[in-house]
Amino acid sequence: DAGITQSPRHKVTETGTPVTLRCHQTENHRYMYWYRQDPGHGLRLIHYSYGVKDTDKGEVSDGYSVSRSKTEDFLLTLESATSSQTSVYFCAISEGGLAGAYEQYFGPGTRLTVT
Amino acid sequence: AQSVTQPDIHITVSEGASLELRCNYSYGATPYLFWYVQSPGQGLQLLLKYFSGDTLVQGIKGFEAEFKRSQSSFNLRKPSVHWSDAAEYFCAVGIYGGSQGNLIFGKGTKLSVKP
Repeated sequence: DAGITQSPRHKVTETGTPVTLRCHQTENHRYMYWYRQDPGHGLRLIHYSYGVKDTDKGEVSDGYSVSRSKTEDFLLTLESATSSQTSVYFCAISEGGLAGAYEQYFGPGTRLTVT
Repeated sequence: AQSVTQPDIHITVSEGASLELRCNYSYGATPYLFWYVQSPGQGLQLLLKYFSGDTLVQGIKGFEAEFKRSQSSFNLRKPSVHWSDAAEYFCAVGIYGGSQGNLIFGKGTKLSVKP
């Protein structure tokens, strides 16, 4: 299994509070991704990073920000959590390169509930 | 817009029976193709991938998939299902030229296995 950890694994927070989720990898992979998984929607990309300090938006980026100050860590922040952000969040990594960027390996997920 | 369709939301098969999960994509060129499996409460595990070449690809856990360009399909098969195969299966497509490494996921097919 790819060395990917996510923290926390479970979190309950109140509407309007800031929340930061952490993804940590030990594979030294260049690309990192944040997805959310919701029933009936599959997985949708929130943000991704193609290197330290290099990030870009995905399909559902509104209300989320990310940062990557080190190769191994990719942080997802909800500046002011809303109930619509209740979801399971997955981090993924890939080596990069032409096809390799698409071969992604996933972390165990963080279940976030916003009350 | 590119899309991935998994027509079957839920499939039930008997242990020892064969399995085929369907996946169709909408895209003008040949994309990169993947199947992932997710057990309850777990992250996604890569089963197999297709980049180019032989259209029949072998994966882990005895799974295989066949790419059919004419049908824009990438169906997953297993000749004899085991109870431990009960999980949710996701087809994913990588579109070259889009957001680097951006995978588009189908909404998943949940597999139940009868003893």
